[in-house]
Amino acid sequence: GENVEQHPSTLSVQEGDSAVIKCTYSDSASNYFPWYKQELGKRPQLIIDIRSNVGEKKDQRIAVTLNKTAKHFSLHITETQPEDSAVYFCAARNTGRRALTFGSGTRLQVQP
Amino acid sequence: DTEVTQTPKHLVMGMTNKKSLKCEQHMGHRAMYWYKQKAKKPPELMFVYSYEKLSINESVPSRFSPECPNSSLLNLHLHALQPEDSALYLCASSQDIFAEAPEQFFGPGTRLTVL
Repeated sequence: GENVEQHPSTLSVQEGDSAVIKCTYSDSASNYFPWYKQELGKRPQLIIDIRSNVGEKKDQRIAVTLNKTAKHFSLHITETQPEDSAVYFCAARNTGRRALTFGSGTRLQVQP
Repeated sequence: DTEVTQTPKHLVMGMTNKKSLKCEQHMGHRAMYWYKQKAKKPPELMFVYSYEKLSINESVPSRFSPECPNSSLLNLHLHALQPEDSALYLCASSQDIFAEAPEQFFGPGTRLTVL
């Protein structure tokens, strides 16, 4: 089955710096890659997603890149703000199973 | 309405109790999901319903029994749970499992404590 690895597990940056979180997946049939942000005590919320026919997608300060050959995708947050502090989960979905497999999560701390 | 709602928010139950968790969405979504989330861990898929039929059961113990009475409602019936079942139970929905970009919307979760 699909396996998604996520790194780093924790990330601390200064306000205004950039943050990068990386994920690798095992199933070459995976075709949809969302990123979720979960604040403490809250529900996971989709912040950006990318389909396998696209290499990069950007939404204001957030961008996701996908390298299908290497089977990895990354989340980039620029000009980080304290409200970006949360746990971020990557996920992958393959066409066969039609369910998300989540990475282990990255706790991002943005220091004011 | 673009929200998934869950009741109750918190639930404390003994190992001999029977209780139910409820989930509702009015976005016209035809796929609904139950996840279990332990502290500092990712959501762990339990069940997937597609068009009100059980599509995926991730080998979940029979003390958890899902039910999808209609396209807007999803229940999780609990019986004879163990303390290790204490977790946040998240419901989610998406347009359907066949969509190319099946964005999942999560509910706020039910915090379950089994004594």
